[in-house]
Amino acid sequence: EIVLTQSPGTLSLSPGERATLSCRASQSVSSSYLAWYQQKPGQAPRLLIYGASSRATGIPDRFSGSGSGTDFTLTVSRLEPEDFAVYYCQQYGSSPFTFGPGTKVDIK
Amino acid sequence: QLQLQESGPGLVKPSETLSLTCTVSGGSISSHYWGWIRQPPGKGLECIGSIYYSGNTYYNPSLKSRVTISVDTSKNQFSLKLSSVTAADTAVYYCARGPWGFYFFDYWGQGTLVTVSS
Repeated sequence: EIVLTQSPGTLSLSPGERATLSCRASQSVSSSYLAWYQQKPGQAPRLLIYGASSRATGIPDRFSGSGSGTDFTLTVSRLEPEDFAVYYCQQYGSSPFTFGPGTKVDIK
Repeated sequence: QLQLQESGPGLVKPSETLSLTCTVSGGSISSHYWGWIRQPPGKGLECIGSIYYSGNTYYNPSLKSRVTISVDTSKNQFSLKLSSVTAADTAVYYCARGPWGFYFFDYWGQGTLVTVSS
């Protein structure tokens, strides 16, 4: 099973700042099958990125994904008030398809 | 706009079977994969399994012995059954779409809380 580790656990930033979130896999993620989701309290997760770097439909270009192998990054170039949430990575290259524990981005 | 809606009992007794249905509207279920994901209160996400409209299934190995996912194309619905539940199965259960045969999820239902308690 591929275990995903996300860091930091919590990221405290101000609106307008840049957020850099890390997702590290215990084994290489095949074909860069890595997705990122945003979840706000009481809501379902929202797909942001798939294939490590492809933005999902309707996702603003301030969100970008990068990485390959075992190291992946989600970057939010300038945080908007609505971006404060929990972010999860998910690998879907190897069964079981696993999620990371999440990074909470909160307002400083 | 594609929409998914979970339905089913919010309370299930220990050792019984949890049953949920996901109704898909605004699009046909006869394409893509359709999955179930759960989230225990205050915790992270876990893939339960997925089904293709033709009936091909994927189950998380950790749950495989207790899970059945089925599809009813005539009703544009797919369903989850999880047997022999315990308190550890208490979670918000989401249904979602896995596009193009992949196991990430681009459309999600709002989720339904299922509590396992006597």
